[in-house]
Amino acid sequence: NAGVTQTPKFQVLKTGQSMTLQCAQDMNHNSMYWYRQDPGMGLRLIYYSASEGTTDKGEVPNGYNVSRLNKREFSLRLESAAPSQTSVYFCASRLTSPSNEQFFGPGTRLTVL
Amino acid sequence: KNQVEQSPQSLIILEGKNCTLQCNYTVSPFSNLRWYKQDTGRGPVSLTIMTFSENTKSNGRYTATLDADTKQSSLHITASQLSDSASYICVVSDTYASGGSYIPTFGRGTSLIVHP
Repeated sequence: NAGVTQTPKFQVLKTGQSMTLQCAQDMNHNSMYWYRQDPGMGLRLIYYSASEGTTDKGEVPNGYNVSRLNKREFSLRLESAAPSQTSVYFCASRLTSPSNEQFFGPGTRLTVL
Repeated sequence: KNQVEQSPQSLIILEGKNCTLQCNYTVSPFSNLRWYKQDTGRGPVSLTIMTFSENTKSNGRYTATLDADTKQSSLHITASQLSDSASYICVVSDTYASGGSYIPTFGRGTSLIVHP
């Protein structure tokens, strides 16, 4: 039981390049989330998926797209990377219960030059 | 707008000492409050969860308190260890929805450094 996995762990891009961050969970969770974490800013929600087949914008969606490929996988795409997207990206999945606990992946550290 | 404020931003203590981290929130209607621990280079991991009716909950050397009237929570760490060095994040949710429209509000975290 791996929990939430993310690939890659590190990535360096040049401005204007595109890439996809991958996330998968093996806990049979319905909801999945993408956050970015910047120094002093805390975790900010980019997009989330309440269930397979649905996605919704979060607080900072500009410059990103997502795909909920199936129940397990939720990818985040940067179509044209900008230096402002340099950050650490975390994927999370949620246990559907009164506790509402989110389980986080190990993160992807992205640098855009 | 829902907000979660944490203090202090950072804290340095000596190994073996106790410390208390604070969380104030303006989330309504309140559902639950969770404290996460985030080690450097890792994702956050849940420490405790508190609902409206709970005012104290312990997890080993970690004790969380909640005052729903004043909308304040604290996380007390007893007999700190080097492994307690981490960021501690307060997260408050205002709804529970089985369908998944659960968007919690995150604090910015308190960075704790424990020195030997």
